Amino acid sequence: AQRVTQPEKLLSVFKGAPVELKCNYSYSGSPELFWYVQYSRQRLQLLLRHISRESIKGFTADLNKGETSFHLKKPFAQEEDSAMYYCALGDSGGSNYKLTFGKGTLLTVNP
Amino acid sequence: EAGVAQSPRYKIIEKRQSVAFWCNPISGHATLYWYQQILGQGPKLLIQFQNNGVVDDSQLPKDRFSAERLKGVDSTLKIQPAKLEDSAVYLCASTRYGELFFGEGSRLTVL
Repeated sequence: AQRVTQPEKLLSVFKGAPVELKCNYSYSGSPELFWYVQYSRQRLQLLLRHISRESIKGFTADLNKGETSFHLKKPFAQEEDSAMYYCALGDSGGSNYKLTFGKGTLLTVNP
Repeated sequence: EAGVAQSPRYKIIEKRQSVAFWCNPISGHATLYWYQQILGQGPKLLIQFQNNGVVDDSQLPKDRFSAERLKGVDSTLKIQPAKLEDSAVYLCASTRYGELFFGEGSRLTVL
């Protein structure tokens, strides 16, 4: 069974400090990993996906199959990064495409 | 383009009553999902539709939950009778190219 683990429920950093949100997964196939973000009073939205290998809002995430991890990183946190972050694992292939979400990490960036 | 629309935004009912939530996905998105998000947890998939057919309802408590998407566009999720543990936000999402687009959610409180 596929599983996503986000070990930190809360993470607090100061503005300008580096931030890393951890995500580990369990999946027998070829994983597709995503980070979704929910800012205050906004809907859940895609931040980035591993296949695009992009940097979005200064965030990057590298898929490490050996460690089954997909940690989200940003070298210099900003106050507007404060939000709830969810790591998600996607089934690949077929018509039954669905996402399994972790429990989320609430990031607070203090001034 | 218009986003995923959901209603009502908030609903308070007493246990054993019934409730229905409505979702209109983004135009042209064939796949629609209902997720349940209990406070402090990540979204959990309840049911997935491809057009008007059910693809996955393995985590739907079928003794009390039902969902339909009769014309392959909008969808309704019903709970009857509601239990205290059904208090949650019910999220609807539709997908294109693997990215899920979420509605704002319907927050249910069961007293």
